[in-house]
Amino acid sequence: TQLLEQSPQFLSIQEGENLTVYCNSSSVFSSLQWYRQEPGEGPVLLVTVVTGGEVKKLKRLTFQFGDARKDSSLHITAAQPGDTGLYLCAGALGGKLIFGQGTELSVKP
Amino acid sequence: DTAVSQTPKYLVTQMGNDKSIKCEQNLGHDTMYWYKQDSKKFLKIMFSYNNKELIINETVPNRFSPKSPDKAHLNLHINSLELGDSAVYFCASSLTGMSGNTIYFGEGSWLTVV
Repeated sequence: TQLLEQSPQFLSIQEGENLTVYCNSSSVFSSLQWYRQEPGEGPVLLVTVVTGGEVKKLKRLTFQFGDARKDSSLHITAAQPGDTGLYLCAGALGGKLIFGQGTELSVKP
Repeated sequence: DTAVSQTPKYLVTQMGNDKSIKCEQNLGHDTMYWYKQDSKKFLKIMFSYNNKELIINETVPNRFSPKSPDKAHLNLHINSLELGDSAVYFCASSLTGMSGNTIYFGEGSWLTVV
């Protein structure tokens, strides 16, 4: 059983569509991060959310931390082929960073 | 200037062999990590070092032995390699080991055991 459940695991959409990726847990995290990993490279941090209910925007990406700090979502507006990659959420718990299993996003032109 | 660099990037070796992966960070960070990413892309921490001291040691077989000669280097030695060790191994660093710090990952080392 994963401590952090990410869904969907795979997502294939057309350019211009919107999408949301979810990251859920029964544990409370002190902070939650989203990373993006491209093929052949390591994950790169997109955002860190710390406060329950916090919303952060990064261009077409909107990140939300749940009020209870147990879940988070990533919404992408008007997806582009350059958004293709593996999106990982990671929660800080007990001094460790726990990763979700990732969402593989493919945006077709 | 590569922030976290690890070598080799690709490694194909036979079962039973011993191999090492080297990692260096030039960010001046205090904390370094080894993560393992399996074929399903699940990323799991193996070890964490802070200023050359072992902080986190997850349930990893004794065949895996990290060594940190100084806070800028964290190498991973694996003895008696098994098929199940095939994975991508990521070295990473952060300013401190505090939760919420940005973790900077290397490009990964693709280990294939045949």
